Amino acid sequence: AQTVTQSQPEMSVQEAETVTLSCTYDTSESDYYLFWYKQPPSRQMILVIRQEAYKQQNATENRFSVNFQKAAKSFSLKISDSQLGDAAMYFCAYKFAGTYKYIFGTGTRLKVLA
Amino acid sequence: NAGVTQTPKFRILKIGQSMTLQCTQDMNHNYMYWYRQDPGMGLKLIYYSVGAGITDKGEVPNGYNVSRSTTEDFPLRLELAAPSQTSVYFCASSHRRDRGFEQYFGPGTRLTVT
Repeated sequence: AQTVTQSQPEMSVQEAETVTLSCTYDTSESDYYLFWYKQPPSRQMILVIRQEAYKQQNATENRFSVNFQKAAKSFSLKISDSQLGDAAMYFCAYKFAGTYKYIFGTGTRLKVLA
Repeated sequence: NAGVTQTPKFRILKIGQSMTLQCTQDMNHNYMYWYRQDPGMGLKLIYYSVGAGITDKGEVPNGYNVSRSTTEDFPLRLELAAPSQTSVYFCASSHRRDRGFEQYFGPGTRLTVT
């Protein structure tokens, strides 16, 4: 069965510094999507970034970028110039190819220190 | 454009009671989902729907029922509430493949069963 693992329950970063959140997944599929979602204290789930498995180029959205290593089944999120508003739970998610089901990791709580 | 709305935001149920969690989206998405999020955990898929009249079970469907009579609405029914159903419930909807299957989430319903 497909699984998503986030091995860092909690991370801290100084404001303006860079932090990387880890995510690994297990699948036998070749065509799939990967996502990072942010959940601030308000509980609202917000999409941060998306990666299509067939694209070799790593996705980037402003201060957020991913390091997608398909062979290693790794999908890490890098946050540059961290801001206080980045403090939240971050969830990695995998979408099965050919179905509509998503698998979420257990999350990483990011603290941003002023 | 309200996106995905959920009602109620909070609810306390006694063991054995029933209730319906409402979910509505105004983005004309075909795909809708119900998740539960237990403390310190990721999201677990309860049920999903690929269109009006079509629903299917996710990872944790026991104790729940759904219906999808319109594109906009996807209510989740809890019958005979149990303490194990204490959780935060999220409804989500998503685009078709050409938009990367990004999910849009509602604000969540915090349910306590005592």
